[in-house]
Amino acid sequence: EAGVAQSPRYKIIEKRQSVAFWCNPISGHATLYWYQQILGQGPKLLIQFQNNGVVDDSQLPKDRFSAERLKGVDSTLKIQPAKLEDSAVYLCASSLSGEDQPQHFGDGTRLSIL
Amino acid sequence: GQSLEQPSEVTAVEGAIVQINCTYQTSGFYGLSWYQQHDGGAPTFLSYNALDGLEETGRFSSFLSRSDSYGYLLLQELQMKDSASYFCAVRGLSGGSYIPTFGRGTSLIVHP
Repeated sequence: EAGVAQSPRYKIIEKRQSVAFWCNPISGHATLYWYQQILGQGPKLLIQFQNNGVVDDSQLPKDRFSAERLKGVDSTLKIQPAKLEDSAVYLCASSLSGEDQPQHFGDGTRLSIL
Repeated sequence: GQSLEQPSEVTAVEGAIVQINCTYQTSGFYGLSWYQQHDGGAPTFLSYNALDGLEETGRFSSFLSRSDSYGYLLLQELQMKDSASYFCAVRGLSGGSYIPTFGRGTSLIVHP
């Protein structure tokens, strides 16, 4: 089966600019996650979707980050405006429904803020 | 909220056995998972424990003790390709849903 697809693979922007990331989950996976992974740390959950509804976004900095999954399939994560501390890898993962289901991760987008 | 503790680094030699420990604090609990991540790569799922005891998958085994809020990943017959970061993750209650929280990761270095 095809894995989780993410684009772009790399992005370099200046602070205060905006950026968007795209994720296409594995076909049939109802649950989609966006994570932020800062170098040397574990993935930090930003938002979890179940189909096109938000399950949890308690750690999403809503003053600058937004995410949507309008048709319950692919998803976009946006940062506007970006700050230096947003430099990180943004990972998308998907899974079948159920808390016991393993997450399948994409290769991520490496974001550098200048 | 949820928090996890795991060692930052473990070193071992090829062919040896290594254990990576993970302790957690969580509101509600729905399973402990382990993921492997090579430098520059995506995390990949290794194992999942919902109940106490040992789960074995080839050279990897994972253990859970819910009463101790503790688990470990056991890697046997270490190979050079096992050099990677290993993350434990728990699902805890947040706003009525079980959401995942990852530890900071353990860097495993395998020497020849």
